[in-house]
Amino acid sequence: TQLLEQSPQFLSIQEGENLTVYCNSSSVFSSLQWYRQEPGEGPVLLVTVVTGGEVKKLKRLTFQFGDARKDSSLHITAAQPGDTGLYLCAGYMEYGNKLVFGAGTILRVKS
Amino acid sequence: DTGVSQNPRHKITKRGQNVTFRCDPISEHNRLYWYRQTLGQGPEFLTYFQNEAQLEKSRLLSDRFSAERPKGSFSTLEIQRTEQGDSAMYLCASSTGTVYYNEQFFGPGTRLTVL
Repeated sequence: TQLLEQSPQFLSIQEGENLTVYCNSSSVFSSLQWYRQEPGEGPVLLVTVVTGGEVKKLKRLTFQFGDARKDSSLHITAAQPGDTGLYLCAGYMEYGNKLVFGAGTILRVKS
Repeated sequence: DTGVSQNPRHKITKRGQNVTFRCDPISEHNRLYWYRQTLGQGPEFLTYFQNEAQLEKSRLLSDRFSAERPKGSFSTLEIQRTEQGDSAMYLCASSTGTVYYNEQFFGPGTRLTVL
């Protein structure tokens, strides 16, 4: 079983639609990071959230860290074909030194 | 380019052969990590270094795998007697380790195919 469960696993939407990707755990994380990965490339860091309840915005992307620091969400407004990719959440468990990753959400935005 | 670099980008080998991958981290980063990623999964932690010291190894890292970071700069990951199950993307990441949330920055990865 994954320590971080991501949902949905796959999302195919039309350009202009909104979407939310979820990252859930029964464990507490000291911080959570969101990455985007293109096929054949390494993950690229989008954002880090560290405080329970924190909300960060990156253009059309909004990231939220749950109050209890056990979950996070990524909301994309007016998705564009360039948003297509694999979205990964990853976190440090309390007192941990290694990132634990979710299995990822594959997003496909059709024009 | 001051990002993390990895070489080679692709490696095809026959079962039983040894392979070695190299990672050059961002120059001021003293922590270096290795991960393995298979299709449809997120990266799985293998090992990490603080400067030249290897501080943690995953149980995934069998005795056929060895990693080094001899001078605290670049690192190598060697797989001996490769098996078909070793086919995966091997990712390297680095971080400063000085901020408690320790953001990691990844290289482009080395895709290994074992025939």
